[in-house]
Amino acid sequence: TQLLEQSPQFLSIQEGENLTVYCNSSSVFSSLQWYRQEPGEGPVLLVTVVTGGEVKKLKRLTFQFGDARKDSSLHITAAQPGDTGLYLCAGWASGNNDMRFGAGTRLTVKP
Amino acid sequence: EAGVTQSPTHLIKTRGQQATLRCSPISGHTSVYWYQQALGLGLQFLLWYDEGEERNRGNFPPRFSGRQFPNYSSELNVNALELEDSALYLCASSLDLGLAGAGQYFGPGTRLLVL
Repeated sequence: TQLLEQSPQFLSIQEGENLTVYCNSSSVFSSLQWYRQEPGEGPVLLVTVVTGGEVKKLKRLTFQFGDARKDSSLHITAAQPGDTGLYLCAGWASGNNDMRFGAGTRLTVKP
Repeated sequence: EAGVTQSPTHLIKTRGQQATLRCSPISGHTSVYWYQQALGLGLQFLLWYDEGEERNRGNFPPRFSGRQFPNYSSELNVNALELEDSALYLCASSLDLGLAGAGQYFGPGTRLLVL
């Protein structure tokens, strides 16, 4: 079983602050995705990273895949209330056709 | 381009009954995944279908089953419903996840309530 541990579980910050969310595993993944989910809706794909050490930027969001492809981080600069939601990481292991999701980080950005 | 669609949006059943949930993937996507998300919890992988075949199955009892049709749409069946089956059931579709940059695209979910 390839478990993905996300931290922190909950995060409440003020508008304008920066934050980092972590996704860690003891297993190697072929690729890793980040999603954002709002209440009552399905998760929305934000980014996929596939290369160890890869960094991708999406406006104020920066995603990094660890060199060993076992971990990833999501950094948000100058958070806004619209960033509020559940952030999920998911790892794909091509060797056993397995997609695993972390439990998520619930982010609240207060105006 | 239409996204992943699921029906019904809400479903109320009683214990012991059967539920059927449906999913239509994004056009061109051959893989369909089913997940269970209980209230306040993460996504638990249920089933993965690709090209009409079951490719992988999560740690769920056999009363959770499904199939994929030739047009790549999919059905999830839950037999002998139990109270703890109450959850949001999410369907996702994708191209081959082995392709660089591929990811899953989710539908809005079916909220199942078992009374």
